[in-house]
Amino acid sequence: DAGITQSPRHKVTETGTPVTLRCHQTENHRYMYWYRQDPGHGLRLIHYSYGVKDTDKGEVSDGYSVSRSKTEDFLLTLESATSSQTSVYFCAISDGRGNEKLFFGSGTQLSVL
Amino acid sequence: RKEVEQDPGPFNVPEGATVAFNCTYSNSASQSFFWYRQDCRKEPKLLMSVYSSGNEDGRFTAQLNRASQYISLLIRDSKLSDSATYLCVVNRYFGNEKLTFGTGTRLTIIP
Repeated sequence: DAGITQSPRHKVTETGTPVTLRCHQTENHRYMYWYRQDPGHGLRLIHYSYGVKDTDKGEVSDGYSVSRSKTEDFLLTLESATSSQTSVYFCAISDGRGNEKLFFGSGTQLSVL
Repeated sequence: RKEVEQDPGPFNVPEGATVAFNCTYSNSASQSFFWYRQDCRKEPKLLMSVYSSGNEDGRFTAQLNRASQYISLLIRDSKLSDSATYLCVVNRYFGNEKLTFGTGTRLTIIP
C-alpha cells in the first residue's frame, strides 16, 4: 500500500472553530488532492497540489484553504468550520497528472456540531 | 442530469454467482473510465481502468459502450471478499483534477 497518512482520523469540533487536517506521504509523488465524500454525492475535489507551493481549487473549494510547504505534506484548513463541512475527507496522491492511479489515505471523519 | 450515474443497489448476490452493474455518463466527450472499489469505512482503491476494447482482470471484466454512454463491470464466481461499494469514475479531460466520481453501487455477497 502507498505510504499515505492522514491525521487526525476522527475529529469533532464546534461551528466557527478553525480545523486543520494533515496528509503526509512517503512516496515522493508530485500530485496531492483533498476530496470530501458525502452520502448522495460522489467524491468531490476540494483542492489539489501539483508541487510545493503550487495549489489550485477544485469543485467545492469555498470555505477551505490548503498549503504545501514540503513535498510530503498537504494541509487542508477549514478557516471557520460549519455544519455543512461535516464529512469524510480523503487525501489522495498520484505520480502523474494524466489520469494516473490515485492512492487514497484512510480518511478523516470530521463532525462539526 | 448527473454527469455520472450509478444504481446505488444494494445488490445482494449469492456466493459463486455472476453479477454485473452499469454506470452511465452524460458527456459523450468523456475519455477515460475507471472502476474503484471502496470497502465499508475504508478508502477507495483502483480496481481497473476501462479500455475501449474491454479488458479483463481475473474474475473481473470491464467494458465500455460509447454509443450508449455506459461502462459496465462484471464479476464472475463472486467471493465474499467482493462485498464492497464499486465507484465509477469518468474523465472528460486530461488530468486527475477533472475526475468525476459516481456515488457507487453497493454489492453484498451472501454465503
